[in-house]
Amino acid sequence: AQSVSQHNHHVILSEAASLELGCNYSYGGTVNLFWYVQYPGQHLQLLLKYFSGDPLVKGIKGFEAEFIKSKFSFNLRKPSVQWSDTAEYFCAVNAKGTDKLIFGTGTRLQVFP
Amino acid sequence: EAGVTQSPTHLIKTRGQQVTLRCSPISGHTSVYWYQQALGLGLQFLLWYDEGEERNRGNFPPRFSGRQFPNYSSELNVNALELEDSALYLCASSWTTGVGEKLFFGSGTQLSVL
Repeated sequence: AQSVSQHNHHVILSEAASLELGCNYSYGGTVNLFWYVQYPGQHLQLLLKYFSGDPLVKGIKGFEAEFIKSKFSFNLRKPSVQWSDTAEYFCAVNAKGTDKLIFGTGTRLQVFP
Repeated sequence: EAGVTQSPTHLIKTRGQQVTLRCSPISGHTSVYWYQQALGLGLQFLLWYDEGEERNRGNFPPRFSGRQFPNYSSELNVNALELEDSALYLCASSWTTGVGEKLFFGSGTQLSVL
């Protein structure tokens, strides 16, 4: 069965620090990969997604993620975080040909000015 | 454009009771997904409806059920509530049946079972 692991449950950073949130999945076949974000008081929304092609995907607000197939990973990165990036971040995986979008447990990011 | 709307926003029930949660997708979306977000467990896939039919369900007992109406709105029913059913229940909708498409989430219903 598919599963998604986000090992960082809570990350605290100062503004301008670099960010990397880990996401690993377990599935041997082809996958679609997503990062969703939930800002305080707002709905979950799509940050970026990978279907195929260039494994380095750029999303909104300066975020990017790199798909490394050999490591079953899709880590989220941002070179310099801002206070407004404070949110909960969810990695999600869909095994192509299946109907389920499996989410990780989420990582809470707090950025202090 | 109105987003995905869920009602009620909060609900308190006692063990053994039954609850119905409601979801209205974005206009034009035919697929509705239900997720449970329990503390420390992330989002767990519950059910997927498309064009009025249940297409798939997650690893939840049969007391979790639902339906989708002709106008694509959906209900999630939970019978014989247990304490561990306390969670945020999120509904999401999308344009097509492919989960590769972007999901739009509602703000959820916070269910507390006492």
